[in-house]
Amino acid sequence: DGGITQSPKYLFRKEGQNVTLSCEQNLNHDAMYWYRQDPGQGLRLIYYSQIVNDFQKGDIAEGYSVSREKKESFPLTVTSAQKNPTAFYLCASSIRGGTEAFFGQGTRLTVV
Amino acid sequence: ILNVEQSPQSLHVQEGDSTNFTCSFPSSNFYALHWYRWETAKSPEALFVMTLNGDEKKKGRISATLNTKEGYSYLYIKGSQPEDSATYLCAFPAPMDSNYQLIWGAGTKLIIKP
Repeated sequence: DGGITQSPKYLFRKEGQNVTLSCEQNLNHDAMYWYRQDPGQGLRLIYYSQIVNDFQKGDIAEGYSVSREKKESFPLTVTSAQKNPTAFYLCASSIRGGTEAFFGQGTRLTVV
Repeated sequence: ILNVEQSPQSLHVQEGDSTNFTCSFPSSNFYALHWYRWETAKSPEALFVMTLNGDEKKKGRISATLNTKEGYSYLYIKGSQPEDSATYLCAFPAPMDSNYQLIWGAGTKLIIKP
């Protein structure tokens, strides 16, 4: 059953800690993306990757880091440098950039 | 800076009524226009990917039209049902780094009143 899986669903982080959000897909898609959603706003692109071992900053990359060591996996680390990390994070993949996006269920991150 | 605008931001519709909402996008360098439905506690899912000016796509009671020359698309829902309650997003693939990236609208939140 093909799809895209994010974990965990809920995550709590203390001030000053780094946390990593997992994103795995078995759709054989080349492109993967991380978005952030805040109330009343559209999806904002954090990072994207068009191919393994390559990734690019999106509009709001500051305070985040990613890796793409495997085609299936695109983890996002929210570092302590991210000033306002409390948000809903969505991972997506597509065959290539600009084509239909397939989304995970999202991770809601709260800083406590 | 490319912008995708959706209106209205939210909409309350009586069950059984029909409704529509708008997505505006840059009319130059058109590649495609996507519509997604995002139900509460679920992932966004694609409804339509539209590529041709004048195109009309239909899925059950939901349909969409496309005008690439003036840069807008309408989504129509006929005979709204409670299960239509969701946020409807449109996205415009824009050229970026020798490829395309989706630029997203903020969405129209549709609430169907029984």
